[in-house]
Amino acid sequence: DGGITQSPKYLFRKEGQNVTLSCEQNLNHDAMYWYRQDPGQGLRLIYYSQIVNDFQKGDIAEGYSVSREKKESFPLTVTSAQKNPTAFYLCASSIEGALAGGSYNEQFFGPGTRLTVL
Amino acid sequence: AQSVSQHNHHVILSEAASLELGCNYSYGGTVNLFWYVQYPGQHLQLLLKYFSGDPLVKGIKGFEAEFIKSKFSFNLRKPSVQWSDTAEYFCAVNARHAGNNRKLIWGLGTSLAVNP
Repeated sequence: DGGITQSPKYLFRKEGQNVTLSCEQNLNHDAMYWYRQDPGQGLRLIYYSQIVNDFQKGDIAEGYSVSREKKESFPLTVTSAQKNPTAFYLCASSIEGALAGGSYNEQFFGPGTRLTVL
Repeated sequence: AQSVSQHNHHVILSEAASLELGCNYSYGGTVNLFWYVQYPGQHLQLLLKYFSGDPLVKGIKGFEAEFIKSKFSFNLRKPSVQWSDTAEYFCAVNARHAGNNRKLIWGLGTSLAVNP
């Protein structure tokens, strides 16, 4: 089955600890994205990657870091610098990134990881 | 700055009622438009999309949306809702951003509850 997997589904961490959320896709998509979803605030873009070994900050990148060493993987690290890390994190991918100028920016989503920082 | 506005934050309907969820965007160029749905406990998934051509687009589960360019709108409709339509609905617009780049701009979502 093609799709996006995120693990774990629920994650608990103590304040001050860094934590890394996993995102893997087997859709052969070039572009991958990380969003944060909070009640009443919709989806806010944290980071995105158009292609392997390249990524750009989204609208709320402070306190987060990413890497894109492989096409199928785009892990997100929530660092201790993130002031309010408790949230639902969604990973997505699309066939091509925006730099291609393509109109096809339909995104496919993983099931999400709910992070709670205690 | 580009933005997407969903007018209704919470909607409660009875089964068989008609549904219309508003979506307006602020961007003057060429856009691609999407409605996504998030059922309780499930992935966010595409409901329908508009790229070009007929401005009335049909999606899954009997949903449709009409792109009205002059009104910068892409409202979602369904003539008769079911309890299983209870979900959160997001409108998104693919607009040009920073040169030739394009990105998806999301509305805040509308929570729909359908009472049986």
